[in-house]
Amino acid sequence: GAVVSQHPSWVICKSGTSVKIECRSLDFQATTMFWYRQFPKQSLMLMATSNEGSKATYEQGVEKDKFLINHASLTLSTLTVTSAHPEDSSFYICSALTPPEYGYTFGSGTRLTVV
Amino acid sequence: GENVEQHPSTLSVQEGDSAVIKCTYSDSASNYFPWYKQELGKGPQLIIDIRSNVGEKKDQRIAVTLNKTAKHFSLHITETQPEDSAVYFCAAPGAAGNKLTFGGGTRVLVKP
Repeated sequence: GAVVSQHPSWVICKSGTSVKIECRSLDFQATTMFWYRQFPKQSLMLMATSNEGSKATYEQGVEKDKFLINHASLTLSTLTVTSAHPEDSSFYICSALTPPEYGYTFGSGTRLTVV
Repeated sequence: GENVEQHPSTLSVQEGDSAVIKCTYSDSASNYFPWYKQELGKGPQLIIDIRSNVGEKKDQRIAVTLNKTAKHFSLHITETQPEDSAVYFCAAPGAAGNKLTFGGGTRVLVKP
């Protein structure tokens, strides 16, 4: 079946630094990927939708200058959290729209802790 | 946009019993209804999904039913086992096309 690989699985960074999270589709081409954020004991909240070769579409309330998304190839999308602060600590999860029936395949998630 | 409500938020069952989780959605244009299982520290895993052209789908101990008129769908787990303990999420895409909106989640605990 379709596999989405997400790295790193966890990262600790200092406040003010930037962190990049990668999401790769291993055995299919992902024209559309999604980035979610999940706080403890809460549901997944969509942050943005990225389409290969074009600018990401951000959900209301998500700062596009803080959460930079790049989808430069059909198999890779990246999320960069810039100038991270403790309130950005969360579980970040990517997802890809998966052919042929266009379901959704999720990555394993990245636990970001900003200290 | 789409609004998905999920009940109950927690569910405790005895091993071997059945578990039922219900979701309602707001956008009648939604045509795809997946259910995900999420274990602690991991991403969601698809366990079953249904499209709007069918009313029921079954995969071993798991089944999903869909009522498009009432705009609700349900997950049924029979003969529950301790390894079924996890958080379960329903979702729907809405008229926007491909953006999944998730329900609030149900924490299921199967007691041996």
